[in-house]
Amino acid sequence: AQSVTQLDSQVPVFEEAPVELRCNYSSSVSVYLFWYVQYPNQGLQLLLKYLSGSTLVKGINGFEAEFNKSQTSFHLRKPSVHISDTAEYFCAVSYNQAGTALIFGKGTTLSVSS
Amino acid sequence: EAGVAQSPRYKIIEKRQSVAFWCNPISGHATLYWYQQILGQGPKLLIQFQNNGVVDDSQLPKDRFSAERLKGVDSTLKIQPAKLEDSAVYLCASRRTEKITDTQYFGPGTRLTVL
Repeated sequence: AQSVTQLDSQVPVFEEAPVELRCNYSSSVSVYLFWYVQYPNQGLQLLLKYLSGSTLVKGINGFEAEFNKSQTSFHLRKPSVHISDTAEYFCAVSYNQAGTALIFGKGTTLSVSS
Repeated sequence: EAGVAQSPRYKIIEKRQSVAFWCNPISGHATLYWYQQILGQGPKLLIQFQNNGVVDDSQLPKDRFSAERLKGVDSTLKIQPAKLEDSAVYLCASRRTEKITDTQYFGPGTRLTVL
């Protein structure tokens, strides 16, 4: 079955430290990968996406992610986090170019403290 | 441009009661989704519309859930009768077309509590 696994349910870090949020997906010939962020009481906002081309994808707010086909991973990274990055982060995948909805992981709560 | 609008933002009902949620997608967006997000989990698709036609409702519990998108714009999701396990956030999302290159935008959600 097609699935997404976010390996860490909670990641606590100190401000200005680097962070990596891990995401693995079930393998397929075609795969399209996304990271969304959800702030409290708000909807999901797209951080970045991989559709094709360069495996290193840069997104908003200084986040980036690397698509690794051999390891079926799409880990999210930021070199220096801020208090305002505290939120829930969701990895999502689509296995079809058209029509299908996103399959989401269970989410990772990033807590940044001073 | 205005985002995806949802109402109400919060709803508390007793089990076996009925409830309805409303979604207004971004203007011009042909594709509309309803997701259910249970606490501690990621969103799960309930139903997908393309204009006013249903594309995928395979995960919609049709014995109690129904959804419509009249005129291909606004959409309503109804639960009748509600069960305790329906407590969740219901998210509406829209996309300009069904193509993967178009971003899926989410509304703020409706938080449903069933007592």
